[in-house]
Amino acid sequence: GAVVSQHPSRVICKSGTSVKIECRSLDFQATTMFWYRQFPKKSLMLMATSNEGSKATYEQGVEKDKFLINHASLTLSTLTVTSAHPEDSSFYICSARPRTSGDYNEQFFGPGTRLTVL
Amino acid sequence: TQLLEQSPQFLSIQEGENLTVYCNSSSVFSSLQWYRQEPGEGPVLLVTVVTGGEVKKLKRLTFQFGDARKDSSLHITAAQPGDTGLYLCAGADAGGTSYGKLTFGQGTILTVHP
Repeated sequence: GAVVSQHPSRVICKSGTSVKIECRSLDFQATTMFWYRQFPKKSLMLMATSNEGSKATYEQGVEKDKFLINHASLTLSTLTVTSAHPEDSSFYICSARPRTSGDYNEQFFGPGTRLTVL
Repeated sequence: TQLLEQSPQFLSIQEGENLTVYCNSSSVFSSLQWYRQEPGEGPVLLVTVVTGGEVKKLKRLTFQFGDARKDSSLHITAAQPGDTGLYLCAGADAGGTSYGKLTFGQGTILTVHP
């Protein structure tokens, strides 16, 4: 149980284009999903918190117009990197918090998406 | 803003040795998770501790949550090359507008040599 998928796993795009990354909870409902960015050999950096049916909450320093997040259902959240630049190249990881998580507040992570902007 | 100090950041040991990773904070967490991550993959949840003083064992891994729920440790006995990876501790906010958010430690890159 508690499987989260991410698609695509790898994407290469040209500078100036937009890229959409999907995050799905496969066997549970998630009222909250999180988007992280990770640099090589570093810890995870939270970008935004996504709640189903409402606007995402962005962390300080994260441009909401550049990183568009949509949480359309209890099993799907999408991150769109708009007008991508080479500095946006990174490993993007989503996680999902089950509705039934309670005090455990566990998050289950997707396998990540490697974005390379040329 | 909650901070979680994880140490050491790098650990290189021989197969069979024991090791301990620490996570410390001045903040109280409602729960604390430990994850293991391999290159190019997402973190995998190892354990969640909720109660102050709680100890959980997962084969050769022992996890402990501090009495005050501000710190935690991960102890690995007789490390094996398959234990190699990035270990992350993450504390869940106790409440308020940050409910459900995780504060991550800096991570510990463990390398176990055969």
